[in-house]
Amino acid sequence: KQEVTQIPAALSVPEGENLVLNCSFTDSAIYNLQWFRQDPRKGLTSLLLIQSSQREQTSGRLNASLDKSSGRSTLYIAASQPGDSATYLCAVKTYSGNTPLVFGKGTRLSVIA
Amino acid sequence: DGGITQSPKYLFRKEGQNVTLSCEQNLNHDAMYWYRQDPGQGLRLIYYSQIVNDFQKGDIAEGYSVSREKKESFPLTVTSAQKNPTAFYLCANSIGGKGAEKLFFGSGTQLSVL
Repeated sequence: KQEVTQIPAALSVPEGENLVLNCSFTDSAIYNLQWFRQDPRKGLTSLLLIQSSQREQTSGRLNASLDKSSGRSTLYIAASQPGDSATYLCAVKTYSGNTPLVFGKGTRLSVIA
Repeated sequence: DGGITQSPKYLFRKEGQNVTLSCEQNLNHDAMYWYRQDPGQGLRLIYYSQIVNDFQKGDIAEGYSVSREKKESFPLTVTSAQKNPTAFYLCANSIGGKGAEKLFFGSGTQLSVL
């Protein structure tokens, strides 16, 4: 059974710092991996989706990488801002089609002005 | 977003009562999902549906029931058999198609026990 782990559980950084969030998964036979952002008591917003054949995806100040063989993904946030404060969740899809994602518990990020 | 509307935003349940959470979508997506989120925890799958009149149990289906009579609607009933229902409930759908199968979420319902 696929398990997804995110480290650290919480992170606090000063504004302007570059940071990396980590995600690991136990079954490397994945179809794709998504990174989501969740604000307190709100739904999730999809940030980046990486297909199994891809190594990375970029959107603005965000860059997500995927190393399937080692079962790892990282989300890099450049020049962090207070508005980046949120919980970031990683989710993995193991099979194609409309099968469900498996989520990690998330990393709660605080960017201090 | 995926055009998903969840209601109500807050819901209170009395002991022994069944309550129903609404999830409606307006973009004709095939797949819909219900997740439960507890504080400091990730999302756990309750039920999902890939087509109308069909649904499958997720990891924590006990004490819950769903229906998918229309493509637009996927309501979740929290029954009295669910002994610890207090949580944040999220509905999601996916556009589908090979390759980019992004998941889109509603804004959630916070369920509390009186």
